[in-house]
Amino acid sequence: DADVTQTPRNRITKTGKRIMLECSQTKGHDRMYWYRQDPGLGLRLIYYSFDVKDINKGEISDGYSVSRQAQAKFSLSLESAIPNQTALYFCATSDFLTGTGGYSSLHFGNGTRLTVT
Amino acid sequence: AQSVTQLDSHVSVSEGTPVLLRCNYSSSYSPSLFWYVQHPNKGLQLLLKYTSAATLVKGINGFEAEFKKSETSFHLTKPSAHMSDAAEYFCVVGSYQKVTFGTGTKLQVIP
Repeated sequence: DADVTQTPRNRITKTGKRIMLECSQTKGHDRMYWYRQDPGLGLRLIYYSFDVKDINKGEISDGYSVSRQAQAKFSLSLESAIPNQTALYFCATSDFLTGTGGYSSLHFGNGTRLTVT
Repeated sequence: AQSVTQLDSHVSVSEGTPVLLRCNYSSSYSPSLFWYVQHPNKGLQLLLKYTSAATLVKGINGFEAEFKKSETSFHLTKPSAHMSDAAEYFCVVGSYQKVTFGTGTKLQVIP
């Protein structure tokens, strides 16, 4: 089984619809992230969460919201989808070693390809 | 502020010749640095990572990278390119605050 699982893998929706992308992890990591990937722009951070009670906006959070239902689950919602939200979305998890400093690992899901028509 | 700059959006090499993909970073903290590869229509695969141990880091598939603090660089190299190396490569910096991606370098390998 994958360490980071994203559902659905593909989704086509219409403008104005509400949609939720889900992410679950078995890594036991506290930190979780949502990114979107667009050609030529790399991956841009939408939201991130350092634990269940700590959620932070990333660089492109407008039009998105998130919910950290448990340590292992982090969902991304588009309240009213628009065509320029068509992209590949990645969920990721990480640890952070406060003793030695730094991340020992970053783990990504396989992505959700979202198309808004 | 934290940022990552991949200096080339496209790199083209002949099969069997060396590969150099350049990455500079900026971070207020001692960062962790990663290189990821993404093949067409695939997810992200970790090539290698630097987390304050040895400055020369060896990864999978013959790739390696050298952390140079004075130059704030973390360039990715491979002695001899293979056709299967054609993909997009992302340099990633992680600090206490967050994880930031570069915009990617597409590597083309010419037979």
